[in-house]
Amino acid sequence: DVKVTQSSRYLVKRTGEKVFLECVQDMDHENMFWYRQDPGLGLRLIYFSYDVKMKEKGDIPEGYSVSREKKERFSLILESASTNQTSMYLCASSELLGYQPQHFGDGTRLSIL
Amino acid sequence: GQQLNQSPQSMFIQEGEDVSMNCTSSSIFNTWLWYKQDPGEGPVLLIALYKAGELTSNGRLTAQFGITRKDSFLNISASIPSDVGIYFCAGTHNSISGTYKYIFGTGTRLKVLA
Repeated sequence: DVKVTQSSRYLVKRTGEKVFLECVQDMDHENMFWYRQDPGLGLRLIYFSYDVKMKEKGDIPEGYSVSREKKERFSLILESASTNQTSMYLCASSELLGYQPQHFGDGTRLSIL
Repeated sequence: GQQLNQSPQSMFIQEGEDVSMNCTSSSIFNTWLWYKQDPGEGPVLLIALYKAGELTSNGRLTAQFGITRKDSFLNISASIPSDVGIYFCAGTHNSISGTYKYIFGTGTRLKVLA
């Protein structure tokens, strides 16, 4: 079974802090994704990556950056956290061929105070 | 970003009843996927559909890839309390840049009354 592991289930940070969310997958998937999920807005794509050191912006990249130094690990960075970034963050991975299903982690519920 | 039209948005049903939900799009999709999300958890893949007209079952769940490639439905037979959760559809299609794009539905919130 595919395993996507997010480092924290719950995280509380303060406004202005630099926040790192980590995601690791164990299936040698090429593609990795970061989403945020908010009530009434569904899943919104922040960034995705098709390969190591490669990244592309999704629909809402502002205020975020990502890092993919190793194939299995994809990090989401909030450069200077703000209260409107309080949300559920979901990481996903999939095989290279774009029509393959994405597999999700359990999510990180991030609160910015 | 683009989202799929998923209906109903929510439903309350009695235990033992059958459930049906669907997703529609104005675009043609290469793949249709159905996920379930429990409270506080990430979405879990239930069924993946790869061909127009395909009908696939997973236990009490059955999903179909619409023949027009613009819709899909999910049926749950004989619902039980643990079916409660949010069900998402998702589709993939080629974007203008040539890469594949995943589009997610807005979810159907299912509540089962014992």
